[in-house]
Amino acid sequence: TQLLEQSPQFLSIQEGENLTVYCNSSSVFSSLQWYRQEPGEGPVLLVTVVTGGEVKKLKRLTFQFGDARKDSSLHITAAQPGDTGLYLCAGFMDSNYQLIWGAGTKLIIKP
Amino acid sequence: DAGITQSPRHKVTETGTPVTLRCHQTENHRYMYWYRQDPGHGLRLIHYSYGVKDTDKGEVSDGYSVSRSKTEDFLLTLESATSSQTSVYFCAISSGVNTEAFFGQGTRLTVV
Repeated sequence: TQLLEQSPQFLSIQEGENLTVYCNSSSVFSSLQWYRQEPGEGPVLLVTVVTGGEVKKLKRLTFQFGDARKDSSLHITAAQPGDTGLYLCAGFMDSNYQLIWGAGTKLIIKP
Repeated sequence: DAGITQSPRHKVTETGTPVTLRCHQTENHRYMYWYRQDPGHGLRLIHYSYGVKDTDKGEVSDGYSVSRSKTEDFLLTLESATSSQTSVYFCAISSGVNTEAFFGQGTRLTVV
């Protein structure tokens, strides 16, 4: 069982639609990061959220950290083919020095 | 882009042979990590290092060993490769805990 559960595992939508993907846990994280990974490449950091309830925006991407710091969401407005990729969430717990990773949401945006 | 290089990028090896993957960084970051990535599992930590000659096990360390004799190099060794170790291996670096991790481009290892 993954400590961080991402849903959905796979999402395929048309260009211009909106979408939300989720990263959930029963554990508390001191911070949570979202990465995007393209085929043949390593993950690249999009954003870090630290404070419960925090909302960060990156152009058409909106990230939210849950009030209890157990979950996070990524909302994409007017998705574009360039948003296609594997979206991974990863969290730091106060008790260790390791990033805990979710299994990822594979997103395909069709033109 | 962060200066992190993995070698080789691709390797095919036979069951039972030893294999060493290399991660080299030019960022002088303290922390270095080795992950494997398999479909449905995301990134799983194999070993990590928090300084020269300071290493610790991750969640899937069985069958793997690591060494870090210099700040810039972190080696991952499969002592006797098995088919279950066929995977994509990523090295990552970070300057501290709770900070951004920078990843290499990965090594695709196939054990036949």
